[in-house]
Amino acid sequence: QVQLVQSGTEVKKPGASVKVSCKASGYTFTSYSMHWVRQAPGQRLEWMGWINTANGNTKYSQKFQGRVTITMDTSASTAYMEMSSLRSDDTAVYYCAKDVQYQLDYWGRGTLVTVSS
Amino acid sequence: DIQMTQSPSSLSASVGDRVTITCQASQDISNYLNWYQQKPGKAPKLLIYDASTLETGVPSRFSGSGSGTDFTFTISSLQPEDIATYYCQQCDNFPLTFGGGTKVEIK
Repeated sequence: QVQLVQSGTEVKKPGASVKVSCKASGYTFTSYSMHWVRQAPGQRLEWMGWINTANGNTKYSQKFQGRVTITMDTSASTAYMEMSSLRSDDTAVYYCAKDVQYQLDYWGRGTLVTVSS
Repeated sequence: DIQMTQSPSSLSASVGDRVTITCQASQDISNYLNWYQQKPGKAPKLLIYDASTLETGVPSRFSGSGSGTDFTFTISSLQPEDIATYYCQQCDNFPLTFGGGTKVEIK
């Protein structure tokens, strides 16, 4: 069965960086792209970007361009999302989600990133 | 960016009631509209894609309709396990965007 297992809770200080991992299993990793979506407390879901796992191409929301980098390790069937220059309003749960024709059909359980001094 | 506006933001209904949620896109998105269910503390779950196609395994009491800019999501007979927040999401253009969510509670 499809599973996306994300790395654990992170606590960071403002200005730091964080890297969240998402290990996929139960399907061929390179056959489906991977999205990253975040949800701040009480807020709507917010799409951050995605990576084409067949060729490594990425696309980012303009809001996160320059501050977010999505990468992958196909040998480990793992996608990564790294965010730099963290601010308090980056406190959120970060999800990876498998793509099928721009529908997000499987989601990881989420990684809570707390940014606090 | 395409703005997605959902209404209502919350609703309270009785078990067995018919529940309807609307989602409006700021521009024509054809039928590139998905619906998700998110239970507290959990990840979202895809329920409906392409505006009206039920994801495999999703109960038939859930349905969706619409095209262009106006969409509707319906629960034909509300069950206690349907307590959740529901989100629409457009996939016509990047960036993918979500509605603000509709929190469904039992009266």
